[in-house]
Amino acid sequence: GESVGLHLPTLSVQEGDNSIINCAYSNSASDYFIWYKQESGKGPQFIIDIRSNMDKRQGQRVTVLLNKTVKHLSLQIAATQPGDSAVYFCAENIDTDKLIFGTGTRLQVFP
Amino acid sequence: DSGVTQTPKHLITATGQRVTLRCSPRSGDLSVYWYQQSLDQGLQFLIQYYNGEERAKGNILERFSAQQFPDLHSELNLSSLELGDSALYFCASSDGWGSTGELFFGEGSRLTVL
Repeated sequence: GESVGLHLPTLSVQEGDNSIINCAYSNSASDYFIWYKQESGKGPQFIIDIRSNMDKRQGQRVTVLLNKTVKHLSLQIAATQPGDSAVYFCAENIDTDKLIFGTGTRLQVFP
Repeated sequence: DSGVTQTPKHLITATGQRVTLRCSPRSGDLSVYWYQQSLDQGLQFLIQYYNGEERAKGNILERFSAQQFPDLHSELNLSSLELGDSALYFCASSDGWGSTGELFFGEGSRLTVL
């Protein structure tokens, strides 16, 4: 299930720094958003979700921010660790029928 | 381990051939989703089944078909294969009807068409 080789934007951060991964979504009618993490050799794994009636939601070391005005979603990872290295996808739910994924961002954490 | 099992993990075949990918969802999950992940397209939603019936359709080609069986496992059939069909095919499952909530993904089936 590796995603190595995908032509993705890459964010490189130093271990211990905070990471911010951005995503622009397409449909103003989308009412539910999710961030997934895909490590090399694995399938995507759920990180955090947010509904459109919220603009911020926090998890453990992660925060998702939603700006509906500009159709923008971001994932903030605090104190980034080597284990956070992966490809991160945002996904939007359209009409409760389909979960549409963005193209992804590769996060590289260096010591 | 997500609890979703996909077979085979790797498959190499020739153009024009037909293959079947299999997915066993997590115990108790009624929804199965199929996604295609290729180099230039990211994760593309193909199709969803809920309790044996087609629930939602995405960008699935006519050469592709899927079904969900009474025991809830699902198969994705890819026929008249082309080089461009080479990709990772993921199955995911959830306990819900719609696409809200967490999807649990398998580790994928890597298809290479030569």
